[in-house]
Amino acid sequence: AQRVTQPEKLLSVFKGAPVELKCNYSYSGSPELFWYVQYSRQRLQLLLRHISRESIKGFTADLNKGETSFHLKKPFAQEEDSAMYYCAPYAYQTGANNLFFGTGTRLTVIP
Amino acid sequence: GAGVSQSPRYKVAKRGQDVALRCDPISGHVSLFWYQQALGQGPEFLTYFQNEAQLDKSGLPSDRFFAERPEGSVSTLKIQRTQQEDSAVYLCASSDRTDRETQYFGPGTRLLVL
Repeated sequence: AQRVTQPEKLLSVFKGAPVELKCNYSYSGSPELFWYVQYSRQRLQLLLRHISRESIKGFTADLNKGETSFHLKKPFAQEEDSAMYYCAPYAYQTGANNLFFGTGTRLTVIP
Repeated sequence: GAGVSQSPRYKVAKRGQDVALRCDPISGHVSLFWYQQALGQGPEFLTYFQNEAQLDKSGLPSDRFFAERPEGSVSTLKIQRTQQEDSAVYLCASSDRTDRETQYFGPGTRLLVL
C-alpha cells in the first residue's frame, strides 16, 4: 500500500538551530517527491521538489531511495519558517495523477 | 494574476442537506484536483480533471460525492445528503499542461455539518 509517514506532528527548534523534518514513504514505482508548506492564514503552496534539486528559503531535501526517505533540512531556522509542512509523493497511475500527502509536521521556531 | 479561488469559504449545513462547492482554477490550467482535509490530517485526494474530463474519481468516499467541470474551467463539488463525517476543508488545486505536478491551491472551503 502507498504510505507517507511524517513521524513528528509537532517540532520546536530555537532560532538559528538546524531543523530536520522527517518523511518516509512506501510506494510502488518511483514517485516524484514534493514538500508543501502552509504558513499561518495562507494557502498550501509548493516549497520544493526533489527533481529540481533547488534550495528554497534555505531548505533542501535529499531523496534516499535506499531508506525511502525525503527529509527536509535547513541549517539555521528562522522565525518565519514556522508553518505546517507536508511531504507529498506524486503518484503516477494509469490515466491519472495525484499528490499523496502525509499528515504534516507543525514547525515552531522559538525566538 | 489571480490564483485559485474557492467559494464559499465557509459553509454550515444541517445533516441531510445538499451542498455545492465551487472552484475557479487559474486561467488556462487544464488540470484540476479536489482534496478533502479532515482536522489534523493532510489533504486526501478526491478527484482529478483534465479539461472537462474526469480522469480519476477513485478518492471520492461515496456516491454522495459528485464533481463536474463541464466547460473545462470552473468546477463544482457536490455533496448530497451531507453527514457529520463530511465536515472538513475541501481544497481545490490546478496545474498547467507543462508542469502537472506543481499544483496551485485555493484557500479551501470549510464545511461543517451539524
